[in-house]
Amino acid sequence: AQRVTQPEKLLSVFKGAPVELKCNYSYSGSPELFWYVQYSRQRLQLLLRHISRESIKGFTADLNKGETSFHLKKPFAQEEDSAMYYCALSGSGGSYIPTFGRGTSLIVHP
Amino acid sequence: KAGVTQTPRYLIKTRGQQVTLSCSPISGHRSVSWYQQTPGQGLQFLFEYFSETQRNKGNFPGRFSGRQFSNSRSEMNVSTLELGDSALYLCASSPWGGDGYTFGSGTRLTVV
Repeated sequence: AQRVTQPEKLLSVFKGAPVELKCNYSYSGSPELFWYVQYSRQRLQLLLRHISRESIKGFTADLNKGETSFHLKKPFAQEEDSAMYYCALSGSGGSYIPTFGRGTSLIVHP
Repeated sequence: KAGVTQTPRYLIKTRGQQVTLSCSPISGHRSVSWYQQTPGQGLQFLFEYFSETQRNKGNFPGRFSGRQFSNSRSEMNVSTLELGDSALYLCASSPWGGDGYTFGSGTRLTVV
């Protein structure tokens, strides 16, 4: 069975501090991993996906297959980064059940 | 480009009734997925439709059903509503599925 674990419900940092939101997964095949973000009163939106290997709003995430992790990182947090972050996993191909983690609430203090 | 549109935004129903929720995906997106979001369980996958066929199904009872039309619009139906069905129901669309979703704003269902 596939599973996504986000061990922290809440992460609180000060502006300018580095941020790392943890995500660990369990999947027997070749996973596709995503980070979604939900700002206050906005809809859930895709932040980045591992195959794109891109940086969005200063965030990056590297897939570590050995540690089965896909942590989201940003070197200098901004107040506008405060939001709910969800890690998600899909199996490759069309036959899959997408799985979301429980989410981590990031609060960036001024 | 219009986003994913869900109607209605809010709904109050009585136990035992049934409800139908609607989702219009982004034009050209053929995969539509439904999720139930609650504070206790987080985001739980209900089912996914692709080209009018249910391609994947989550672990929900048969009271939850859905369908997709030829224009990719999708509906979700819940029969014999229970108090525990109160939740935010999210629809998401994707060109092929599994390649990143665009979510709607959701339908907030309250069962009393």
